[in-house]
Amino acid sequence: IVMTQSPATLYVSPGERATLSCRASQSVSSNVAWYQHKPGQAPRLLIYGASTRVTGIPARFSGSGFGTEFTLTISSLQSEDFALYYCQHYNNWPQTFGQGTRVAIK
Amino acid sequence: EVKLEQSGAEVKKPGESLQISCKVSGYRFSGYWIGWVRQLPEKGLEWMGIIFPSDSDTRYSPSFQGLVTLSADKATNTAYLQWTRLEASDTAIYYCGRLDYHDVGYFVDYWGQGTQVTVSS
Repeated sequence: IVMTQSPATLYVSPGERATLSCRASQSVSSNVAWYQHKPGQAPRLLIYGASTRVTGIPARFSGSGFGTEFTLTISSLQSEDFALYYCQHYNNWPQTFGQGTRVAIK
Repeated sequence: EVKLEQSGAEVKKPGESLQISCKVSGYRFSGYWIGWVRQLPEKGLEWMGIIFPSDSDTRYSPSFQGLVTLSADKATNTAYLQWTRLEASDTAIYYCGRLDYHDVGYFVDYWGQGTQVTVSS
């Protein structure tokens, strides 16, 4: 299963909303996770089950979608949110990541 | 507190062998799958394989089957990623992660800090 993220880079001003998309080449039900990755750090799990936010992740992060179309929304971007974001399906093996969306300062 | 502590950066020559490690603490090692993920320079994340330490059940992504070996030592709560013959194209950061189960599959809920492997003549 190929996970395709768009756009490759998203330019957003602090305080604005960011909407990241992830499309699966075939249905993965709701078995999608989202990770945030900053340079020099380990990735961080944000969302699993397409929409379940991990404990400790700010409420401004939300996920939605089912089947083949998924979205990660950051409602009001903070400075610490500028990073790479990956979706990953875990509907079967091998599970795969998308190629990532970079959220950059506008 | 769950922790995954990876071994330090490595610089190797093509053709050499290498084993990197991921030592876990703060949870029952045998009860969770461990996964390994590669990040090539300036590229995204790729699943390499997963291992269940309890019985060493292992699954490899097709791209890595036969190229690397995963293992786990329950006595030391440590997972390993091994190459027998490195190539320059293996230059990357390698992450281990604890996998949590949801519905039908696994995602990484805790990550190691990453191990930089550089292969150069």
